[in-house]
Amino acid sequence: DVKVTQSSRYLVKRTGEKVFLECVQDMDHENMFWYRQDPGLGLRLIYFSYDVKMKEKGDIPEGYSVSREKKERFSLILESASTNQTSMYLCASSSRGGTAFFGQGTRLTVV
Amino acid sequence: AQSVTQLDSQVPVFEEAPVELRCNYSSSVSVYLFWYVQYPNQGLQLLLKYLSGSTLVKGINGFEAEFNKSQTSFHLRKPSVHISDTAEYFCAVRRTGGGNKLTFGTGTQLKVEL
Repeated sequence: DVKVTQSSRYLVKRTGEKVFLECVQDMDHENMFWYRQDPGLGLRLIYFSYDVKMKEKGDIPEGYSVSREKKERFSLILESASTNQTSMYLCASSSRGGTAFFGQGTRLTVV
Repeated sequence: AQSVTQLDSQVPVFEEAPVELRCNYSSSVSVYLFWYVQYPNQGLQLLLKYLSGSTLVKGINGFEAEFNKSQTSFHLRKPSVHISDTAEYFCAVRRTGGGNKLTFGTGTQLKVEL
């Protein structure tokens, strides 16, 4: 089975902190994604990566950056956390043209 | 660009009753279609997908969906729901021809009651 693991299920951070959300997949997938989930808005794509060191902006990249130094790991970085970034963050991976598999999610609260 | 509309934000239904969750999409190119389910405090799990072939697609847990190209719809159905089907359901599309990004609808919360 494909496994996508997000490093934390719950995180509480202070406004202005630099926050790292980590995601690891074990299926040698080329593509990795970060989504944000908010009630009534569904899932919105923040960034995705189609190869090591390659990235593309999604629909809502402002306030976020990403890093993909190794194929299996994709990190989402909040440079200076703000309260409007309180949300559920979901990581996913897929092979090229394949089905996306999701992690369990990280519920981030910024206070 | 693609967009997905899930017309119902919440659907209450009694156990053992049938249910239909509606999904319509808009796209200028051909797309693949997906339904994902999210149980409380969990990530998303693939329920079923339409890539090509028969327009009636069967998925896990007794769910099925029918692709209707003329109506640009991909409604999800189950003939008899169970309490354990209580979850949020997301419809998503991805363009064919090399696209990798999924575009999601806003989700439908299915609540099954006794």
